[in-house]
Amino acid sequence: EIVLTQSPGTLSLSPGERATLSCRASQSLRSSYLAWYQQKPGQAPRLLIYGASNRAPGIPDRFSGSGSGTDFTLTISRLEPEDFAVYYCQRYDISLRYSFGQGTKLEGK
Amino acid sequence: QVQLQESGPGLVKPSETLSLRCTVSGQSMHSNYWWVWIRQPPGKGLEWIASVYYDGTTDYNTSLKSRLTISVDTSMNQFSLRLTSVTAADTAVYYCAREKFSSGLNYFDYWGQGNMVAVSS
Repeated sequence: EIVLTQSPGTLSLSPGERATLSCRASQSLRSSYLAWYQQKPGQAPRLLIYGASNRAPGIPDRFSGSGSGTDFTLTISRLEPEDFAVYYCQRYDISLRYSFGQGTKLEGK
Repeated sequence: QVQLQESGPGLVKPSETLSLRCTVSGQSMHSNYWWVWIRQPPGKGLEWIASVYYDGTTDYNTSLKSRLTISVDTSMNQFSLRLTSVTAADTAVYYCAREKFSSGLNYFDYWGQGNMVAVSS
């Protein structure tokens, strides 16, 4: 089973700063099988990135995804106040279907 | 615009069966998408539970499979989840979502607002 580990657990930054969130897989993962979600309190998750680097419709271009193999990154180039939330990576594999990382909480400093 | 809406009880007694329904609007379920249930215990992360295709093909989380049934009713544009023998560990917000599963891409692009289910006597 491929396990996703996200780091850091919590990231404290200020609006305007750059955020870099990591998602590491325990085994090499096909890039098309990696997605990122944003979740705000009391809300459902929202798809941000699919296929490791493709922005979902309506997602601002300050959000970008990159990576391959076992290391994937979500970058928010300049934080807006509405970006403070929890972020999850998600992977697919043929045998066990889907699992998520444990999440990174992005909080305002 | 695709919308999903969960419906079901907010409280279930231990050992009983949890039943949830998801109504899809804005799109026919008879299409090239899977339909899924995902849950989130309070203060914790996300767990994929099960997926169903419009033709009734199913896939289950292996850790829950023995207690799960997912089904689809395309005439009503709904799909449902049944989880038997619930315990406090099944307390969670249950989300339904649309699953993109084609062209080598796999992700959840539309979600319901969630249905909180507490298991308690």
